[in-house]
Amino acid sequence: QVQLQESGPGLVKPSGTLSLTCAVFGGSISSRTWWSWVRQPPEKGLEWIGEINHSGRTNYNPSLKSRVTISVDKSKNRFSVKLSSVTAADTAVYYCARIPTFTIEVSSSWFDPWGQGTLVTVSS
Amino acid sequence: QSVLTQPPSASGTPGQRVTISCSGSSSNIGSNTVNWYQQLPGTAPKLLIYSNYQRPSGVPDRFSGSKSGTSASLAISGLQSEDEADYYCSAWDDSLNGWVFGGGTKLTVL
Repeated sequence: QVQLQESGPGLVKPSGTLSLTCAVFGGSISSRTWWSWVRQPPEKGLEWIGEINHSGRTNYNPSLKSRVTISVDKSKNRFSVKLSSVTAADTAVYYCARIPTFTIEVSSSWFDPWGQGTLVTVSS
Repeated sequence: QSVLTQPPSASGTPGQRVTISCSGSSSNIGSNTVNWYQQLPGTAPKLLIYSNYQRPSGVPDRFSGSKSGTSASLAISGLQSEDEADYYCSAWDDSLNGWVFGGGTKLTVL
């Protein structure tokens, strides 16, 4: 049973770069699936950030595309997100999630499982 | 402003049946499957319904999903106090080439 765990700094300065890692347990990052990041500002709804598949192909939210990079580290069975030029509006709980696509297209799939989430605050 | 539209709140008494709507467009719900997530207070979202109406293992059959055209619905029958949570619909959007979510519906069990 796949489990995900986010890690990274809980505080980032304005104009800096937010960097988080999601460790994958109980499964291979190289399996035929996609890996995604979703965030949730305090007291607000969910926002998809982007995703990456086993071969390194990525899709990003158009509203964040210029600032986001998602990558995979197969040797450590984990994937990461970097968000540059952050402001207070980027303060949120950041979740990583798997998008299982073993026999289907990513557009026909869903997010499962999710990590427990990590709060990142942008403040000086 | 979310791409998918949900009512911000819903409520019901124990044992009642409640429905939560999710409205989209031809580029998302109209051409792709809909998924629903349950987020209990202080926890991560959890997959509740996938592919419009399928339930993952462990999800009670009190929860059901449906889709028609560019709208979808989540129904919860036999409402229980532990169903009090935020519920989100989601679908792939062909125009954005990415995932979109509804703004979430806060369900209160009175």
